[in-house]
Amino acid sequence: QSALTQPASVSGSPGQSITISCTGTSSDVGGYNYVSWYQQHPGKAPKLIIYAVSNRPSGVSNRFSGSKSGNTASLTISGLQAEDEADYYCNSYRSISSPYVFGTGTKVTVL
Amino acid sequence: EVQLLESGGGLVQPGGSLRLSCAASGFTFSNYAMNWVRQAPGKGLEWVSAIVVGGSTYYADSVKGRFTVSRDNSKNTLYLQMSSLRAEDTALYYCAKDYGDYYLYYFDYWGQGALVTVSS
Repeated sequence: QSALTQPASVSGSPGQSITISCTGTSSDVGGYNYVSWYQQHPGKAPKLIIYAVSNRPSGVSNRFSGSKSGNTASLTISGLQAEDEADYYCNSYRSISSPYVFGTGTKVTVL
Repeated sequence: EVQLLESGGGLVQPGGSLRLSCAASGFTFSNYAMNWVRQAPGKGLEWVSAIVVGGSTYYADSVKGRFTVSRDNSKNTLYLQMSSLRAEDTALYYCAKDYGDYYLYYFDYWGQGALVTVSS
């Protein structure tokens, strides 16, 4: 059960936009519109920030946006802020026998 | 307000057993699928197990045959029975509510986690 591939780290200056990729296969990311993204600050539980590829839960900043093309999903953070410094994980539905797979995780640093 | 409170973590020897519990409140527990997700120290998230409305269960290959997920809807509680524990099972175990009921979609609420340490 190999994990989805994310860059280990991404950085940007305050106010800039950054994009985190999440690459899978046609059996997971490419095959379903059930990609979600989670933000995790140090010592805290993960928090849902994007579901079903591009939808934001109530209360999540509109600076976060999601998209998908083929087997790769992406999370974009626009207007980067210090509070966005955290780890980010993608997740996708995979199959009925083993439904979920996470990405390897990306550490976002605000310079 | 949705709340998920894990308990039952601790230190256990290799080959031993442990049962985690997750007490849920703030939503109709019986109407939703539930999950366990773990995070080894300094590592990423790993989905472990799920149980949907109706009781069907799903497991990651890494725990299949050793872990058993169950739920008691009368007590609004999710369980994870872990046996034949290995050092690589050492992790913070999160209880996570699913958006779905009979099908799995994404994790919309998370607990704070219960730490399981497998060591002699």
